[in-house]
This record gives sequence, structure tokens and C-alpha cells, in this order.
Amino acid sequence: GQQLNQSPQSMFIQEGEDVSMNCTSSSIFNTWLWYKQDPGEGPVLLIALYKAGELTSNGRLTAQFGITRKDSFLNISASIPSDVGIYFCAGQARLHGSGNTGKLIFGQGTTLQVKP
Amino acid sequence: KAGVTQTPRYLIKTRGQQVTLSCSPISGHRSVSWYQQTPGQGLQFLFEYFSETQRNKGNFPGRFSGRQFSNSRSEMNVSTLELGDSALYLCASSLGVSGEQYFGPGTRLTVT
Repeated sequence: GQQLNQSPQSMFIQEGEDVSMNCTSSSIFNTWLWYKQDPGEGPVLLIALYKAGELTSNGRLTAQFGITRKDSFLNISASIPSDVGIYFCAGQARLHGSGNTGKLIFGQGTTLQVKP
Repeated sequence: KAGVTQTPRYLIKTRGQQVTLSCSPISGHRSVSWYQQTPGQGLQFLFEYFSETQRNKGNFPGRFSGRQFSNSRSEMNVSTLELGDSALYLCASSLGVSGEQYFGPGTRLTVT
């Protein structure tokens, strides 16, 4: 199935360090969403982006909607142990000639491990 | 406000059987989408419903079907189960057709 290119695949960092991950696509999206998933649970929405160039923060998390509308970035500052988990980007496009769709296309995920 | 709920949380079925999974969206949300999550394929879109109408369908065989009720609750059905159908099935709800989607905890289906 269709997927976004998300990198890096995994990161092992020291507590207190900053983290950056990104997603790229060959298609244009109207919306970019970032999620975090813990083992055995569903993804939890972190940040939603709706406009090209938009920069949005949620606590220590900052995400940007790329100008080309084909990419997005997520930064986590001053990481803490509870940041451990899998982070997913998701893009939402527009159906051809039919308006918006809720269909999300996901990246493969970035597994983050934080060493105390 | 209660989140998205999915039942059952865990299910073990045998090849050839069929299964029905249930999803209750956040109160006031009219759109429900379903996704399949596997280690190999990641998160894949199954279908989406808005006001009881299927608006979009992913690239899955006809054995996968769904429906939405007038109270926005949704069910998905998988018939003639195959081993490859073992996955975490996630339901997500949103206020409208597009925009932020909120996921439930998922139903872990194991086919033996």
C-alpha cells in the first residue's frame, strides 16, 4: 500500500537531547498529522497542520508543514523518558473532484528510545 | 468526553471463520475510518464512513466490509479469515470528513 517516507527509522538518544524526524511524499497533502503510539495502544494525535509553511507547537513538540506540501517535520526538544514510543506522520489528501477525504496515508514510523 | 471505544480488544479466530469488530466514535463525531496495522505493512487505510455512507475504500479484498449506523457507530466485518488477516484493527473518528482523526485502542485479531 501507499506510504510516506519517514526517517529516521529509529533513534536512541540521551535524555535531554533534541530529536528531529521528517516525512516526505511524492504527493501533495492538505493536512499533515503527527501521532505517537505506545505498545498495545492506538496512535495518539500530537499535532495537526493545515497550511503550507505552518509551524505549530504542542509543549516540547514542534511540527512544520512543508512549503511544497510534500513534507513535514517534527521536533522534540529536551527529550524525557516518557517520550519513548513510535512516532508516525500521516498525510491527508483530497479526492479528485470529490472534495476532501478522511483517508490517512502513514509513514513507516520512527521508534524513539531515550536513555535516562 | 469519552474517547473512541473499540470492542472486543482481543480476538482469536480460526481460518475460514468470519469476524465483526465494533467501533463507537467520540460523541458528536460523524466520520469513522478503519485501518489495519501489521509489522510488515504498517498502517493501511481500509475504509471511511460519513453519515452512514462509505466515502472511500482502501485496497483490500471484498472480504473486508463495513457499515455505519445512524448513531455514527461503525462495524467492520472480515469473512473467510486468512492467516494474513492477523493484525491490529484501528478505528478513528473525526468531526467531519477531513481533519483531525482520533484513534481507539484497537482490536487485536489473531487468526490461527
